[in-house]
This record gives sequence, C-alpha cells and structure tokens, in this order.
Amino acid sequence: DVKVTQSSRYLVKRTGEKVFLECVQDMDHENMFWYRQDPGLGLRLIYFSYDVKMKEKGDIPEGYSVSREKKERFSLILESASTNQTSMYLCASSPTDRSANTGELFFGEGSRLTVL
Amino acid sequence: GQNIDQPTEMTATEGAIVQINCTYQTSGFNGLFWYQQHAGEAPTFLSYNVLDGLEEKGRFSSFLSRSKGYSYLLLKELQMKDSASYLCAVNTGGFKTIFGAGTRLFVKA
Repeated sequence: DVKVTQSSRYLVKRTGEKVFLECVQDMDHENMFWYRQDPGLGLRLIYFSYDVKMKEKGDIPEGYSVSREKKERFSLILESASTNQTSMYLCASSPTDRSANTGELFFGEGSRLTVL
Repeated sequence: GQNIDQPTEMTATEGAIVQINCTYQTSGFNGLFWYQQHAGEAPTFLSYNVLDGLEEKGRFSSFLSRSKGYSYLLLKELQMKDSASYLCAVNTGGFKTIFGAGTRLFVKA
C-alpha cells in the first residue's frame, strides 16, 4: 500500500523554538508538498519540491523553510515558532508522469502543531 | 486573485442524494479534483475532471463546466460513513494545486 508518513502526529512547542516536521514517501514520487490546514481557510501551500535539493515557495512561505536531501524525504522547518503557526500540517506527494494517473496528491496523516 | 468557493456545511439523510457545488476563479486550469477527508485523517482522492462533463465512479459522480468555472460532486445512496469534509481543488498548472475551504457533510439517520 502506498504511503506518505509524517514523523509526528502531535507536537507542542514553545514560542521561539525550532521545529522540524519530517515527511517520507515510499512511492518514488518526484514532487512533494507541505500544506497547512486551518478551519475556514482550507489547505494552503507553504513550499513544494519537484526534485532533490529543489524547492519553490508556495502561497505562504514566510516563517518556514524546507529541505529535500533525498527523493523520499521532505522536511519542513520552523526556525522560530510563533503562536500563529499553530495549525495542522499536511505533507503530500505526486508523480510528475501523469500518463498512468491523474496527478492527484497523496497525503500523510498530518502533524498537529501547537505553539504556546 | 485565485478563489475556490464551496458551501461550509451541508446536512443530508441516509439513503438520499446530495450535491456539493464548487466554483472557481484561477489563473490557470489543469484539472479539478475532489478529495474526501474524515475527521483527523488525511484527505484521499475521489475524482478528477479535466474536460467538461460528468465522470461517474460508483456512488460518486463529478461534473465540470470550464466555461462557467463550476463543478459539483454528487453522492448517491448516502451512507453514514460519507460524513466527512469534501475538498474541491484545482491544479493551476505545473505542480501547484489550490484548495477550497472544504464542505463538511453531515449524514443523519
């Protein structure tokens, strides 16, 4: 069964702490994404990566950075967590080759981060 | 700007049919997706439309009109397990997919 795995389901951090959210996929997908999901706002794209060591800003990159050193792993970093970064963070992956599928996103279970 | 609108909440009865509408205004269009998300779980793919018309997949159908910027998801023979949020999303080209805020569907007995 294909899988996107996020390292932590629930985290509680203090303001100013550095936070790492890890995501691993086993589908050999080229593209990986980080979204945050907030009530009434839906999913908003933070960053995405279409290849190892490549990254592109999404719609709300401020306060975040990412790292993709290996194809299967995409990390989201909050350099100095703030209370407005309390949210559900969803990692997703998709293949570049859409000949065999629609290019839909495969999501992880999510990481709920609370910043106090 | 880019915008995807869908109703916040809907309620329907077990065994009935429900239609969830989605309108979109985006700078590009490379397909429209519907995802289902149960509370506390990951969104999962339901349907994809890139051409106008109806796509049917079991109890679920999805319709697209590109000229109107409009889609709907039709759920037939509703079951209690269909209680979930339904997310409308548009691939605007390349790798970027934007999402609506989601429609929370409550199915009552």
